[in-house]
Amino acid sequence: QVQLVQSGAEVKKPGASVKVSCKASGYNFNSNDINWVRQATGQGLEWMGWMNPNSGNTGYAQKFQGRVTMTRNTSISTAYMELSSLRSEDTAIYYCARGRSSSGWYGLDYWGQGILVAVSS
Amino acid sequence: DIQMTQSPSSLSASVGDRVTITCRASQSITSHLNWYQQKPGKAPELLIYAASSLESGVPSRFSGSGSGTDFTLTISSLHPEDIATYYCQQSYSTPYTFGQGTKLEIK
Repeated sequence: QVQLVQSGAEVKKPGASVKVSCKASGYNFNSNDINWVRQATGQGLEWMGWMNPNSGNTGYAQKFQGRVTMTRNTSISTAYMELSSLRSEDTAIYYCARGRSSSGWYGLDYWGQGILVAVSS
Repeated sequence: DIQMTQSPSSLSASVGDRVTITCRASQSITSHLNWYQQKPGKAPELLIYAASSLESGVPSRFSGSGSGTDFTLTISSLHPEDIATYYCQQSYSTPYTFGQGTKLEIK
C-alpha cells in the first residue's frame, strides 16, 4: 500500500533552516509528484510547492520563493523540503502529499502523517 | 493567485441531515476542483476529485458538483464519523490554493 512517512518533529530558532524528509513506499517513487502543504495551529491548509522526483523539476508558491528548496534522493525514495530564514510564523505542521494526475486533473491522493516544525527563541 | 472561498465557515447538523458546503473560485477553474476531509489530529484525505468524481473507498453519501467558479460538496445523510473540517482546493493553476475550510459539527 502507498505510504508516505515523514521525519520527526523539529524545534528551530528564528533565522535557522529546517530540512524535513518524506519517505515513499508502495509505488514507483518516480511516477508521481511530491507536494508540500503546511498548516499552522488551528488554521487552514497552505500549498507550498511541488517536485517531480523523476526530473527534479520544482514549482514553488511565490510566498516561499527564495526560502524553500525541494529535493529528492531517488535511490531511497525520499523527498526533502528545506525552509530557510525561519520565523515564528513558520511554526506549523508540514505535510508531504503525493500528486496524482489523470486526464488533465491533478490532486493529492496520499498524505504523510505531518511533521511539527516549531520556531522559537 | 486564484482565491477560493468556502461557506459556511462552520456548520452544525444532526445525524441523518443532508449537508451542503459551497466553494467559490475567484476565476473559472473549469472542473479542476478537489475536496478533502481532515479529522482532528490527522492528515487530510482526498474525497472528491475533478469536481464530481468520488475517490476510491469514499462512502457514496459524499458527492460533488459544479464547474466554472461555483462548486458544492454534499453529504446526503450525515454520519457521526463525518465530523471533520472540509477543504476545497483548485488544481487549475499553481499555486494550488485551498479554501479556508468548513468545520462540521454534530448538533
